This record gives sequence, C-alpha cells and structure tokens, in this order.
Amino acid sequence: GDSVTQMEGPVTLSEEAFLTINCTYTATGYPSLFWYVQYPGEGLQLLLKATKADDKGSNKGFEATYRKETTSFHLEKGSVQVSDSAVYFCANTRAVGGSNYKLTFGKGTLLTVNP
Amino acid sequence: SQTIHQWPATLVQPVGSPLSLECTVEGTSNPNLYWYRQAAGRGLQLLFYSVGIGQISSEVPQNLSASRPQDRQFILSSKKLLLSDSGFYLCAWTGGAGDTQYFGPGTRLTVL
Repeated sequence: GDSVTQMEGPVTLSEEAFLTINCTYTATGYPSLFWYVQYPGEGLQLLLKATKADDKGSNKGFEATYRKETTSFHLEKGSVQVSDSAVYFCANTRAVGGSNYKLTFGKGTLLTVNP
Repeated sequence: SQTIHQWPATLVQPVGSPLSLECTVEGTSNPNLYWYRQAAGRGLQLLFYSVGIGQISSEVPQNLSASRPQDRQFILSSKKLLLSDSGFYLCAWTGGAGDTQYFGPGTRLTVL
C-alpha cells in the first residue's frame, strides 16, 4: 500500500539557518505530492504541491522537488524564521474511485526556530 | 473564494455521551468531503469520505459514523463516546477533479 516516511523530529534551528526535512514515499502509479503545515492549535494548511516528476513546488520561501527516481519530496528553505515554527506533514495522494482521492500522510516533523 | 468551517472548536464530553461535529463548506458546490482524526502522538487518520449527499465511505471501522444531509454539510457522530475517541478532528474538501485537499480549523475533542 501507499506510505509516506518523513524524518522524525523535533528539529530545532536558529533563525536564518537552512532547513531540510526529508520525505520519501511508496505508491503505485504517479501520485501528487504535498507538504502541509500545521501551526499550534490550528488545522492543516497547504504549503506546496507537485503533480509530476521533476516538478518543483514552492511557496513562502519553501521548496520541494518531485524526484521519481528516488521517490522523494524533501522540503527545503534557505533561511528559516521564528514564524516557521510548526509541524510539517508530507503526503501523497491516490485516486480511490471517480474524482475521489485519498491522502496518505507522514507522521509529521515538529520544527522549532529560535531567535 | 471557498471557506470551510468546523464547530465547535473545542469540546469536552464524558464517556458514554453522544457526539455531533459539524463541517460546512462555502463558495463551492458538490465538493468531496473528508473527516480525519489526529490523535496525540499519532499521525492523521482518514475516517470517512463522501462524494455526494447521502454517500459515505468508511475507512476504518470504529465507534463513529458520518452523514451528509446537504451538499456542503458533513457531520461526524457517535452514540456513545469512548476515551479513545479523544483527538483533533479535521474536515477537508476537494472540488471538481482536483486532488488537493483543503482543511478546516479543526475540533479538539476531549473525552473524560
């Protein structure tokens, strides 16, 4: 079945440090790949997505590239801010019939950025 | 633009009591709707999804049920809550043929 594995946290960085959160997946076919972010006490927000191999998703300084050969979708940011402190979830999606899709999530990585 | 609402935001219920959580979507029609649970220390688990009024698919057999009485309304229910039902419940939607899910603000349920 489909699965998503992301690096376990927590990850603690200083402001302006470089961030990488690793994510690998298993899936049949060609899933879309996502990163969601969850701030404390809130729901999940879509951060970025990629729908096919070699696509790069980007938003708010975050980037991730769909690597089919390594089945990876690592999240990166060149210079993190305190406001980036949150839990980050990697996910892939597959069709479960008609126009319906199922998301499979990783377990989440807690990022704390210190001033 | 589309907006998704969930209520209540927080709920504390005794074991054995009933439950009703509501999710509504604005600004779109015929969305696919989803209920997830995020339990402490665990990942996100898909509970139910719906492609239309009265159409519910269950992912995991459990103490919960879902209903979709209107196009943009999705309800999660239980007749008798268990301690293990505690968690953060998230509703999500997709539109058309899209596979991107958009999440609501969530409901924090504590069963005592």
